[in-house]
Amino acid sequence: IAGITQAPTSQILAAGRRMTLRCTQDMRHNAMYWYRQDLGLGLRLIHYSNTAGTTGKGEVPDGYSVSRANTDDFPLTLASAVPSQTSVYFCASSPGTGNYGYTFGSGTRLTVV
Amino acid sequence: DQQVKQNSPSLSVQEGRISILNCDYTNSMFDYFLWYKKYPAEGPTFLISISSIKDKNEDGRFTVFLNKSAKHLSLHIVPSQPGDSAVYFCAAKGISNFGNEKLTFGTGTRLTIIP
Repeated sequence: IAGITQAPTSQILAAGRRMTLRCTQDMRHNAMYWYRQDLGLGLRLIHYSNTAGTTGKGEVPDGYSVSRANTDDFPLTLASAVPSQTSVYFCASSPGTGNYGYTFGSGTRLTVV
Repeated sequence: DQQVKQNSPSLSVQEGRISILNCDYTNSMFDYFLWYKKYPAEGPTFLISISSIKDKNEDGRFTVFLNKSAKHLSLHIVPSQPGDSAVYFCAAKGISNFGNEKLTFGTGTRLTIIP
């Protein structure tokens, strides 16, 4: 593993089903993030975690939950998927506060039907 | 409320010429700005950044300019190469509507370099 690994790469999900998108990083970064990318809307922050054991809501948190049990893993859960959650989801990490950019995973393309 | 705006969804430039991508922001609390490049089916990758205490940062073919009074930044790529064809996202960090120190992204500009 080098950087951030996301799984699955893509998924077709029936509406109403529960789904967890996985994200693992091996850089020992303190902060992790989940973004969704939608055409014409750019990248919007769903949830974030500044350090293991803490999480916070971003711009579009409704319908999603996260946990941060350890430094490396930051799963995103859709409790009951809806078609509007069809999107490409990106996990990212950074060392923490300050002038750092984010390192992104390669994304999960989710289609809710 | 789009705090970071990229008003051009797409841009086509001849190979060898200069590509200029623009970005405007509304939040004066942003103090660090970045450009990311994204190829299809890949995650965004960091390209270049600039702190609000500077007005220019250069890295090879890429230069970012920041005009704080106008709340405007631009990315110049010269000379443009076919491999530069990608979607470019402007991002800003600072105190935003949903918390400190988070990156707020623009909507992206698709750059196409014509051989």
